[in-house]
Amino acid sequence: DSGVTQTPKHLITATGQRVTLRCSPRSGDLSVYWYQQSLDQGLQFLIQYYNGEERAKGNILERFSAQQFPDLHSELNLSSLELGDSALYFCASSVVDGGYTFGSGTRLTVV
Amino acid sequence: QKEVEQDPGPLSVPEGAIVSLNCTYSNSAFQYFMWYRQYSRKGPELLMYTYSSGNKEDGRFTAQVDKSSKYISLFIRDSQPSDSATYLCAMSGSGYALNFGKGTSLLVTP
Repeated sequence: DSGVTQTPKHLITATGQRVTLRCSPRSGDLSVYWYQQSLDQGLQFLIQYYNGEERAKGNILERFSAQQFPDLHSELNLSSLELGDSALYFCASSVVDGGYTFGSGTRLTVV
Repeated sequence: QKEVEQDPGPLSVPEGAIVSLNCTYSNSAFQYFMWYRQYSRKGPELLMYTYSSGNKEDGRFTAQVDKSSKYISLFIRDSQPSDSATYLCAMSGSGYALNFGKGTSLLVTP
């Protein structure tokens, strides 16, 4: 157990739907990162939050949004889902710059 | 050109061999360098973390960073079948999110 908790582990939904992925960081970690992993693109950075504030944005689609709550857990919202959004979504957390700890991921399948 | 390039493999070696994994990068601002190991359908696990240039050793693993050549390496000595996984290099500048290579698939055969 890495200490980063992601729920749900698996999600199957239809095109056009909206889903919410949840992440609880390791105790004491203030930064939360969201990554998307697909077979052809590898791990792609989506967005980073630090202590409740958005800190950096990567290749995140406008249909996707995220937030970090006062208790530091984070949610990634994916809307108007398309087949191409099927992927593994990882959350990671860290204290400071450098290596961070990943959760076990949410496997999203859009049918 | 992607900022981080990594040969996807697959790389197949016999048990006990020395494995060499490499990445090149283009952004001279990168100063934090990492190697992650990812087993199938699991989250990446941090193996090695290096700041700036130099070597770092941890058990059977050695990480090398050559900033002048923009080249990083991971060596695995006495490789074991349990080392079979995908190895991802990652790097960042100060305060920025990690940039990952696409990963090299390694298979260690008994």
